[in-house]
Amino acid sequence: QVQLQESGPGLVKPSETLSLTCAISGSSISSTYYWGWIRQPPGKAFEWIGSIFHTGSTYYNPSLKSRITMSVDTSNNKFSLNLNSVTAADTAMYFCTRDRSEVGASNLWGQGVLVIVSS
Amino acid sequence: DIQMTQSPSSLSASVGDRVTITCRASQSVYRQLNWYQQRPGRAPNLLIYATSNLQSGVPSRFSGSGSGTDFTLTISNLQAEDFAIYFCQQTYSSPRTFGLGTKVEIK
Repeated sequence: QVQLQESGPGLVKPSETLSLTCAISGSSISSTYYWGWIRQPPGKAFEWIGSIFHTGSTYYNPSLKSRITMSVDTSNNKFSLNLNSVTAADTAMYFCTRDRSEVGASNLWGQGVLVIVSS
Repeated sequence: DIQMTQSPSSLSASVGDRVTITCRASQSVYRQLNWYQQRPGRAPNLLIYATSNLQSGVPSRFSGSGSGTDFTLTISNLQAEDFAIYFCQQTYSSPRTFGLGTKVEIK
């Protein structure tokens, strides 16, 4: 059974960098799927952050592109998200996902991790 | 960005009912429209992709239709485990955008 598990600090200070990792079990990161991140601020709609292929090709939300870096660690079957210069508006539940394609639906989600931006 | 509007925002229904949820896009997304279910405390689950394709393992009582800007998710013969939040997503244009969700509650 394929599973995704997010990890990272639950509290980040304003202006600092939010760093999250998603561990993949039961599947190889080098498969034909894309791997992504989606977040949901409290009381708001889900927001697509971006996705990455195991080759390193990335697709970012234009509104976040200047602050995002996504990467893959094929040796450890993980992928990561860095979001810099965070503000309170970045407080959200962050989910990692497996996507059918670069523009496809997310057919597997992690349980999510709550990240609060506060001093 | 393409805005996705779902209606209703919530509804009450009984086991065995037929439920219809609509999603409207602010511009055409052709058929690149997906539906997800999220039960309390659980990760979202893909139900339908590309308007009408049932994700593997999803019961056949779920179905989707539409094209362009107007789409529908139908749940026939509502079951107890279907009480959840449903939301749509367009993947035609970047950034992919989501509706706010429809909460299906027990009447």
